Amino acid sequence: QVQLVESGGGVVQPGGSLSLSCAASGFTFTSYGLHWVRQAPGKGLEWLAFIRFDASDQYYADSVKGRLTISRDSSKNTLYLQMNNLRAEDTAMYYCAKDLYQNRKVVGAPFDFWGQGTLVTVSS
Amino acid sequence: DIQMTQSPSSLSASVGDRVTITCRASQDVSNYLAWYQQRPGTVPRLLISAASTLRSGVPSRFSGSGSGTDFTLTISSLQPEDVATYYCQRYDSAPLTFGGGTKVEIE
Repeated sequence: QVQLVESGGGVVQPGGSLSLSCAASGFTFTSYGLHWVRQAPGKGLEWLAFIRFDASDQYYADSVKGRLTISRDSSKNTLYLQMNNLRAEDTAMYYCAKDLYQNRKVVGAPFDFWGQGTLVTVSS
Repeated sequence: DIQMTQSPSSLSASVGDRVTITCRASQDVSNYLAWYQQRPGTVPRLLISAASTLRSGVPSRFSGSGSGTDFTLTISSLQPEDVATYYCQRYDSAPLTFGGGTKVEIE
């Protein structure tokens, strides 16, 4: 069955960096686009970033462009999110999510599987 | 960027009631609209894609409709397990914006 397992969250000071990972299994990793989505405590969902199934393209929300970098390693079936210059407002649960459709060349698709999330807290 | 506005932000209804949630896009998103359910303490679950296609395993009391800028999610007969926050999401192009959510409670 499809599994997405995030890791790497924790407490970081403002201005600091953090790298999140999402280990994928149960599907053909190289056939699906992947996303990062976050949810601040008690708030709604915010889409952050997308990477195409073949890693040839990435898209970012304006709110995080320049500070977050999405990447993937097909040899490890793992998705990454490098976060730099973190701010208090970045405090949230961070989820990875998988595209519903395979080999989709465009960014848009619903998310059919989500990981359980990893919590990032930015605080001094 | 296209904004997604849901209404109401919360509602309370009785078991068996028909519940309707509205999602409005600030620009045409065709039928590239998904609905998710997030029960308390859990991760979001995809209910509907392409505005009206029910995902396998989702109860038939859920339905979606609309295209362009106006969409609805309907629960035909509210059940206790439907207590959750519901989100719409555009996926026609980036950014894949979510609506603000609608919290559904039982009276």
